[in-house]
Amino acid sequence: DAGITQSPRYKITETGRQVTLMCHQTWSHSYMFWYRQDLGHGLRLIYYSAAADITDKGEVPDGYVVSRSKTENFPLTLESATRSQTSVYFCASSEFTSNEQFFGPGTRLTVL
Amino acid sequence: TQLLEQSPQFLSIQEGENLTVYCNSSSVFSSLQWYRQEPGEGPVLLVTVVTGGEVKKLKRLTFQFGDARKDSSLHITAAQPGDTGLYLCAEGNQFYFGTGTSLTVIP
Repeated sequence: DAGITQSPRYKITETGRQVTLMCHQTWSHSYMFWYRQDLGHGLRLIYYSAAADITDKGEVPDGYVVSRSKTENFPLTLESATRSQTSVYFCASSEFTSNEQFFGPGTRLTVL
Repeated sequence: TQLLEQSPQFLSIQEGENLTVYCNSSSVFSSLQWYRQEPGEGPVLLVTVVTGGEVKKLKRLTFQFGDARKDSSLHITAAQPGDTGLYLCAEGNQFYFGTGTSLTVIP
């Protein structure tokens, strides 16, 4: 299917566990982004990537790790989940940073 | 400190009413985007404004970019229940989004 997909859609985990959220896009867009969305904060950028093997920190990168070995995939890993990382996570892609971003459906993560 | 402040945070109106939501900053932007997000989905781009003073219309939605390119407004005429959602503004590179305005249009 064309577009941008995220998996899983829902995840419950425990404090201290490692969790990986997956993001896949079929447009061959250069840029990919990870955001978290919390009430009162809107969308906050965690990490972004300009191309395969190029990643950069956003506004709230602490506690997260990303990689981009292939253009179409951009996984986000929480190495040791904390309760403060309970949130809805959105992945997005675009041709350039100033172009329209296409968002995935989101992953709702709960850390107990 | 929030780079982009949106107001109001919540808005509940009757079908047919008009409304305006705002996106303000102390920074100057090369462009600004408006997105709408429906419950359980990701945001979808509505418009990009680039030039200071620019006005863009999308059916019943009118977007304006401030002359100094620090602020923007979204005006909806004769709101409909289908307009319900979270409206987000974002600075040009989309590294920063506003806090959003949650709009509910009551039939």
